[in-house]
Amino acid sequence: GAVVSQHPSWVICKSGTSVKIECRSLDFQATTMFWYRQFPKQSLMLMATSNEGSKATYEQGVEKDKFLINHASLTLSTLTVTSAHPEDSSFYICSARDPRGGETQYFGPGTRLLVL
Amino acid sequence: LAKTTQPISMDSYEGQEVNITCSHNNIATNDYITWYQQFPSQGPRFIIQGYKTKVTNEVASLFIPADRKSSTLSLPRVSLSDTAVYYCLVGESGSQGNLIFGKGTKLSVKP
Repeated sequence: GAVVSQHPSWVICKSGTSVKIECRSLDFQATTMFWYRQFPKQSLMLMATSNEGSKATYEQGVEKDKFLINHASLTLSTLTVTSAHPEDSSFYICSARDPRGGETQYFGPGTRLLVL
Repeated sequence: LAKTTQPISMDSYEGQEVNITCSHNNIATNDYITWYQQFPSQGPRFIIQGYKTKVTNEVASLFIPADRKSSTLSLPRVSLSDTAVYYCLVGESGSQGNLIFGKGTKLSVKP
């Protein structure tokens, strides 16, 4: 299957700082990527849909000014958590649609964020 | 987007066949059924996708009845490493639509 990578795999930061997470589709081009958040023992929650060359579409309740998404190329989307606070600590997972195989979504390995 | 219902948990033993059923009564005509596996602290891994009847790959089989209101993921001869959470998702393939995750089924395989 298609490969999606994320960087970093984990990050610890102080409250008030900003953190950038990268999501890359390694062997295919993805016009659409998705960002999810997962709290312990819970399911994945969709945060936003990232479209190459246009603004992201955020789910209800997700602050677009806090979670900045940039999809500058067909293989890279970034999520920046601005002014992070302890309640933003979570597991962030991206996914990308592979146009070669019926637009199936493939997920990255996730990024663990801990805000102190 | 069609909502899915799965058992919260299932137990099995090594070597057994495991069948996880998912209900999706409101599935739309253009919706595909996709199953993912997730281990702790990892992203979901694609297992199988289907539209109707039966689909089989090297990992699993997916059975979909004619009315498509449910589907069954079949894992042959499970091992300890199959212990994970399994998610059934329904969505329109090829569109800009996103996938909404339900609670999934936590499968525990015992020796």
